[in-house]
Amino acid sequence: DTEVTQTPKHLVMGMTNKKSLKCEQHMGHRAMYWYKQKAKKPPELMFVYSYEKLSINESVPSRFSPECPNSSLLNLHLHALQPEDSALYLCASSQQASGIYGYTFGSGTRLTVV
Amino acid sequence: GQQLNQSPQSMFIQEGEDVSMNCTSSSIFNTWLWYKQDPGEGPVLLIALYKAGELTSNGRLTAQFGITRKDSFLNISASIPSDVGIYFCAGPAGGTSYGKLTFGQGTILTVHP
Repeated sequence: DTEVTQTPKHLVMGMTNKKSLKCEQHMGHRAMYWYKQKAKKPPELMFVYSYEKLSINESVPSRFSPECPNSSLLNLHLHALQPEDSALYLCASSQQASGIYGYTFGSGTRLTVV
Repeated sequence: GQQLNQSPQSMFIQEGEDVSMNCTSSSIFNTWLWYKQDPGEGPVLLIALYKAGELTSNGRLTAQFGITRKDSFLNISASIPSDVGIYFCAGPAGGTSYGKLTFGQGTILTVHP
């Protein structure tokens, strides 16, 4: 299995809703990431988990809450989002946090906040 | 922090033409990565470069790790319609930025049949 699987593929949520994005990989990678991407722009790093511990939080607002239940799963809990949070949310994994062998990205969740 | 300057920002070419794009940095990178992103999908790794001067091919794609370690080039030969997408250069940051991947701004490629 050489894939990173993200669900759901599309999500529409209101500003008062609570939802979660899920990410799963079975490649034995020990680092997992959440990225946010606006149209035609490069991905922007949000969080890095290394060996299931949060190692980097890029000053992301607290309405985004990451969780790494085990080495294969990564969640992003969403609450009280704003319309400007609408974007493609990408999960990625790598063998280790150095990333020198590249990241494997999932197909992303297209999030629309209304 | 480290930044990657990628050019051109966009390209409109005819099918069959060759394509070149490059990435430069003011600081040294020890690894250069080239990704392609199709619409509605996540980026896919095309080529990884680990040594200054290294030239690596993947089918019609060829990438080079600049000798100064501050630049990299990606060439696509004989373009086809499925080459359409956004191409990103990227490099793992080091030091206090360990764990981060720095991306270029991307090159949007359009191929006319």
